[in-house]
Amino acid sequence: DAGITQSPRHKVTETGTPVTLRCHQTENHRYMYWYRQDPGHGLRLIHYSYGVKDTDKGEVSDGYSVSRSKTEDFLLTLESATSSQTSVYFCAITASGRPDTQYFGPGTRLTVL
Amino acid sequence: SQQGEEDPQALSIQEGENATMNCSYKTSINNLQWYRQNSGRGLVHLILIRSNEREKHSGRLRVTLDTSKKSSSLLITASRAADTASYFCATDEGGSEKLVFGKGTKLTVNP
Repeated sequence: DAGITQSPRHKVTETGTPVTLRCHQTENHRYMYWYRQDPGHGLRLIHYSYGVKDTDKGEVSDGYSVSRSKTEDFLLTLESATSSQTSVYFCAITASGRPDTQYFGPGTRLTVL
Repeated sequence: SQQGEEDPQALSIQEGENATMNCSYKTSINNLQWYRQNSGRGLVHLILIRSNEREKHSGRLRVTLDTSKKSSSLLITASRAADTASYFCATDEGGSEKLVFGKGTKLTVNP
């Protein structure tokens, strides 16, 4: 257990509203990732972070921003949610002792109406 | 871009049978990993095989890697109903800290 929590676990919002998802880890790992999972697409990387205030884009970053002001928290923000952003969002970390393996949080199911 | 592609997309077998799923990828890799996802849950790491390895075992799991064909297979022996899940392969793109996941194989093991 890599001590990863995500909040909220479920959210329903309306088109055009801002949404922030939080990923929290308790074990001081350097790398953190945000993915979205959609039927027919598998997992796709949105953004990732390799340290405090160090982030980079993934495959599907348009419409998303991230922030990491402290090691334990990685925030994903949808500035103006759209229906195409309805998805299940997973946070993951790379454990310091096992740099190749990712450990996943329980996911956040987001519905944009 | 989708690096790994699993085959088949869905597989249904009886308890006790073996399950084989395949993964193909496009670019050079340092390692390939397999993950399992139970319905409604996050992914769980199963096994990692490095590019200089050809076969690896972990319990009832056997993974092979053929870098010349850019493909890998995951074999689950003596399957159980609890193995029902989706299985994903993931590759690092030329040693990147990012993983690229395939779309997954949905395995159903019938009791």
